[in-house]
This record gives sequence, C-alpha cells and structure tokens, in this order.
Amino acid sequence: ETGVTQTPRHLVMGMTNKKSLKCEQHLGHNAMYWYKQSAKKPLELMFVYSLEERVENNSVPSRFSPECPNSSHLFLHLHTLQPEDSALYLCASSLGTGGQPQHFGDGTRLSIL
Amino acid sequence: DAKTTQPPSMDCAEGRAANLPCNHSTISGNEYVYWYRQIHSQGPQYIIHGLKNNETNEMASLIITEDRKSSTLILPHATLRDTAVYYCIVRAFGGTASKLTFGTGTRLQVTL
Repeated sequence: ETGVTQTPRHLVMGMTNKKSLKCEQHLGHNAMYWYKQSAKKPLELMFVYSLEERVENNSVPSRFSPECPNSSHLFLHLHTLQPEDSALYLCASSLGTGGQPQHFGDGTRLSIL
Repeated sequence: DAKTTQPPSMDCAEGRAANLPCNHSTISGNEYVYWYRQIHSQGPQYIIHGLKNNETNEMASLIITEDRKSSTLILPHATLRDTAVYYCIVRAFGGTASKLTFGTGTRLQVTL
C-alpha cells in the first residue's frame, strides 16, 4: 500500500478511442507526476504538477492531455494513441518538487491495438 | 544532474546482506544520492537518500564515501521479497529540481 492509487490497472484500447487514466493520493502531497515506462527503457517523466499548476511538460505529444483538478487527483486523458504508446503509466506524488521523495502508484498497463 | 553507474545484476542469498554499489563520480556539492527500487508489476518505491553522512532507516543503510564519488546501499538481511530492480539517482535538493532521472538500475535476485 503506497498511498497512491491508480485506476484502471490494465487498459486495452484502439487507436481511435478516448480514455482517461486516474490517479489519487491522500498523503497530503502537493505535487503530482506522470511517468511512462516502456519495455526495457528507463522511466520517462511526462508531466509535473505543483499546487495544481503544470510546471513541467517534457515534450509529450498532444495526444496525452493531463488534468489536475485538485492536489489529490491527477488524470491523463488519452486520444488517438499510437501502438508505440503501449507502456506502463505511473503516477507519483511528493511534498513539494524540491527533492522530497516521490511516492509511486502501481501504474496502469496500457495496450494500444 | 550527475550520471550514475550501477552493475546490471547481482545475486544474494536469503538472510545475507545485499550490498549494491553505485558510482557517481561527477556528483556536485549540492546533489543528494537517492535509492529507489521497483518490484515486478509495481511502481518504484523510495528507499533512502543522503548527502554525505551515512544514513539508516527501517529498510536499508546508505554508505557514501568521503569523496562522495560512490555509495553503497545495504539491505542487512535480504529476503525473497527484496528481489527487485534497484535504482541509484543523484539530483539536487531544493528549488524546482523535480526530475528523477532513472537509469537501468541493478537487478537484485535473492535466492534460497
């Protein structure tokens, strides 16, 4: 139990579908992150939110659209994905973005048909 | 952030200490050493971090050399549940330095 919950755990979608990944934390953290982990590749940081404002966007294609309605919830909206987007998507949170340890969820395993 | 070098894999017998090395020869004075691990089918888990003094918590000990160019994570009594990929990360603390740069880590296999 990490305190960071991601749903769904598994998702299969076609390239024309629209779906959303959800992340929830009740650790009192004020920063949240999306990471992508592809097979045999290191984790890649996608987005960072601090106090519900996006502070970092690492050249992620526009078919990935994050949303942070409050400090406890983070979404990743997906549309018109490509087969190479199949990966494990991980959410994390931390108390601030200055170096405090990040707590990760167990991820959503996404498969694009 | 400084780059780290770790062996790709290690084995350890259950009940013995697991000593995982990490080289970070280009570390800067304001950079901390962090350790995370990732057990199969789970997200990464924070273990410990330190600047220059040795650190210990309920999970592990972190030994940093005096010149700070390398460190060792010690799991004092490894169990099968410690089988995971262990990541050594170096990054600055403070400001908006939010990025954790994960490398390929060390795959630790704990065996009976």
